[in-house]
Amino acid sequence: EIVLTQSPGTLSLFSGERATLSCRASQSVSNNFLAWYQQKPGQAPRLLIYGASSRATGIPDRFSGSGSGTDFTLTISRLEPEDFAVYYCQQYGGSPYTFGQGTKLEIK
Amino acid sequence: DVQLVQSGGGLVQPGRSLRLSCTGSGFRFNNFAVNWFRQAPGKGLEWVGFIRSKTFGEATQYAASVKGRFTISRDDSKNIAYLQMNSLKTEDTAVYYCAREGPSIFGVVISGDYWGQGALVTVSS
Repeated sequence: EIVLTQSPGTLSLFSGERATLSCRASQSVSNNFLAWYQQKPGQAPRLLIYGASSRATGIPDRFSGSGSGTDFTLTISRLEPEDFAVYYCQQYGGSPYTFGQGTKLEIK
Repeated sequence: DVQLVQSGGGLVQPGRSLRLSCTGSGFRFNNFAVNWFRQAPGKGLEWVGFIRSKTFGEATQYAASVKGRFTISRDDSKNIAYLQMNSLKTEDTAVYYCAREGPSIFGVVISGDYWGQGALVTVSS
C-alpha cells in the first residue's frame, strides 16, 4: 500500500498570497496517477488536478499541480477567499487507492 | 449535465446490512468505472473499492477494511452502481460517496471528476 504524507498539516495565509502544498508518496505512483481535491464542510470533494498536473474542467488557472514519482506539489498562485478549505492528495495508480491525511488551508 | 445521485443511507444496527445506490445521468455510464469512498465524522477520506466497466470485466477491488463484507456491483441497463454492506460495524459509520472514473485518454485517466452528494450511514445499537 502506498502511504501519502501531506505537509503542512495546517497552512495559514492571507488572501492574495501563494500557497504551496506537498504530497510525498512512500513509493513511486504508477503513471503519476495523482489527484488533488478540495473539500469544504458538508460538501463532496471537488477534483482540482488529475494525472499530477492536468487541471480538471472548470478549475481556475491559479491552481497548478506538479511533480512525479514520489513528490508532488499543489500550488495556488494567488489565494482567493473561496480557496480556504481542506486539500487532499490521492493516488489512483494502483489498488488500494490511498489518500493523504489532508492539509487545512486557513485564513490568517 | 453529468450527475451522480445517491440513495439508501440511514441508521442500522451492528451486524445488519444496508445497500447504497449511485445513479448516473448525462454521460455513458457503461464506459466508466465507479469508485466508492467514505469519510468518518471529522476524519479524512478513505477509498472503499471500485468496479470497472464491462470492457474490463466489471472487475472489483476492495479496501482491506471492508473486503469480504462489502460488495460492489452495477446494472448498466439502469445506470446504477450498488454498494452492498453486510456485517456492519460501528467503525463503518461514515458519509459514503460514489464517484466516476473515466477510461484512459492518451494514457491519462481522469478519476473522481464527478461525485455523488454523499449518503450518511450510521451503525449503532
